Amino acid sequence: GAVVSQHPSRVICKSGTSVKIECRSLDFQATTMFWYRQFPKKSLMLMATSNEGSKATYEQGVEKDKFLINHASLTLSTLTVTSAHPEDSSFYICSANTLGQGADTQYFGPGTRLTVL
Amino acid sequence: LAKTTQPISMDSYEGQEVNITCSHNNIATNDYITWYQQFPSQGPRFIIQGYKTKVTNEVASLFIPADRKSSTLSLPRVSLSDTAVYYCLVGDIRGAGANNLFFGTGTRLTVIP
Repeated sequence: GAVVSQHPSRVICKSGTSVKIECRSLDFQATTMFWYRQFPKKSLMLMATSNEGSKATYEQGVEKDKFLINHASLTLSTLTVTSAHPEDSSFYICSANTLGQGADTQYFGPGTRLTVL
Repeated sequence: LAKTTQPISMDSYEGQEVNITCSHNNIATNDYITWYQQFPSQGPRFIIQGYKTKVTNEVASLFIPADRKSSTLSLPRVSLSDTAVYYCLVGDIRGAGANNLFFGTGTRLTVIP
């Protein structure tokens, strides 16, 4: 149980284009989903917290107009990287929370490798 | 701000028990301790979670002393496939934001044949 999928697994795009990444909880309903970015050999950095039916909460330094997040249902959140540039190339990972033993637990998707040429 | 400190890297031979300790001096009352494993180009995988004392599941044990300022992940009889980065995460994600979802440096475990 508690499986999270992401699509696509990798994408290569030209500078200036927009890319949409989907995150789905396959066997549970997730009230909250999280989006992370990870650069090579670095740790995960939280970008935003996404709650179903409401606006996402972005972390300091993350441009909300550039990284558009939509959480339209309890099983789907999308991250759109608008007008992508080479510095946006990174590994993007989503997670969804479900109630664990007395605390919320995150389950992570497999990640999406974005390369902007 | 329950940030964590872990060793950057560890090496171990196959078949040995590995203990990775995480320091979290500022852990809050509502915080839980969760450990994740991450392989290259994959999302983190949940290993184990605990609040206090000892928790054991089919893959690992988690030891938490009474003051909860540290925790130790114990991997019994590691194999080459356990080579990965292990993250200790402290927080209650019901509290919003990066302060509760801070991934530290992680510990890069290398298992040697």
